[in-house]
Amino acid sequence: KQEVTQIPAALSVPEGENLVLNCSFTDSAIYNLQWFRQDPGKGLTSLLLIQSSQREQTSGRLNASLDKSSGRSTLYIAASQPGDSATYLCAVKVVAQFYFGTGTSLTVIP
Amino acid sequence: DTAVSQTPKYLVTQMGNDKSIKCEQNLGHDTMYWYKQDSKKFLKIMFSYNNKELIINETVPNRFSPKSPDKAHLNLHINSLELGDSAVYFCASSQDAAGGSTDTQYFGPGTRLTVL
Repeated sequence: KQEVTQIPAALSVPEGENLVLNCSFTDSAIYNLQWFRQDPGKGLTSLLLIQSSQREQTSGRLNASLDKSSGRSTLYIAASQPGDSATYLCAVKVVAQFYFGTGTSLTVIP
Repeated sequence: DTAVSQTPKYLVTQMGNDKSIKCEQNLGHDTMYWYKQDSKKFLKIMFSYNNKELIINETVPNRFSPKSPDKAHLNLHINSLELGDSAVYFCASSQDAAGGSTDTQYFGPGTRLTVL
């Protein structure tokens, strides 16, 4: 059974700092991996999707990497801003099932 | 226009009641999903529905039944509600379920269900 873990569970950084969020999964037979952000009381917003054949994806200040063989993905956020404060979740797709991590709660301090 | 909408946003009900949550997407997507997010914020897929094919997470009690009147709607009906059903339920959709870039999921705002 696929298990997805995110470390750290919570992170607090000063504005402007670069940061890395980690996601690990136990079964490397995935179709893709997605990173989402969730604001309090809201639904999830997709940030980046990496196919199993890809190594990374970039969108603005965000860069996500995937190392399928080691079961790891990282989300790099450059020049963090207070508006980046949210919970970040990663999810892997295996056949028709999606497995989510427990998330990293990020606080960017002005 | 809201891409994925859910109603109601909040639902408070007594144990043993039957309730439904509605979901609609206006993105023209072929696949829709229901997720449950528990008090610890852990998100777990319950169902996915693609072109009349229903894929069920076997851990979901059969008190939960998805109903799709058409491709744009996937409703969730819950019978005999229990205290443990209290959670936030999210609907989502994606263009298809083929595993490509069209797998990007769009989530609704969630329905917070409280069972008393």
